[in-house]
Amino acid sequence: SAVISQKPSRDICQRGTSLTIQCQVDSQVTMMFWYRQQPGQSLTLIATANQGSEATYESGFVIDKFPISRPNLTFSTLTVSNMSPEDSSIYLCSVGLGGAGELFFGEGSRLTVL
Amino acid sequence: SQQGEEDPQALSIQEGENATMNCSYKTSINNLQWYRQNSGRGLVHLILIRSNEREKHSGRLRVTLDTSKKSSSLLITASRAADTASYFCATGVQGGSEKLVFGKGTKLTVNP
Repeated sequence: SAVISQKPSRDICQRGTSLTIQCQVDSQVTMMFWYRQQPGQSLTLIATANQGSEATYESGFVIDKFPISRPNLTFSTLTVSNMSPEDSSIYLCSVGLGGAGELFFGEGSRLTVL
Repeated sequence: SQQGEEDPQALSIQEGENATMNCSYKTSINNLQWYRQNSGRGLVHLILIRSNEREKHSGRLRVTLDTSKKSSSLLITASRAADTASYFCATGVQGGSEKLVFGKGTKLTVNP
């Protein structure tokens, strides 16, 4: 298994500002995934972050809005840029350990944009 | 777009009863997984069933998979109040990486 720490756990932000969410894993992993969960909804994959290369974004998500860093095999950040109330969501970091395909999740970062 | 569709969207039962949740998906898969999410928290992996398996058990959980119907079910037996949570199915797509596509989820409430 993997232990994943996310910071911040929650934040309230003003429209137009940016917030960076950090994700730290207790073991080295190849791929890290960032998901968004809008209120009362399911999870939608934003991007896959690979160490040493640019993140791969899913349809509907762009790097300018959600820049991602992956400086090493245990850490990643997701920035939510120029926020609007529609960005109010839980943002979840997850990793797989290259085995059966199950993912381990952080506790999420609950973002409220006013 | 979402791969999985769970039903029901919400389920309320009494402690001790069984809870059954269903999931349908659209494309070919490597495996199907079920996750649990307590309110406002991260997701916890419950069970994984591969595309060549038909049934799998883990404790009070029983999962079935019917690839011909592109559907799966999760049965929780002898439910407890602590089982109250949202349950999501997620599919690993054939030829894909470790990334998963999640269904909309079933919100289960177990009343004491």
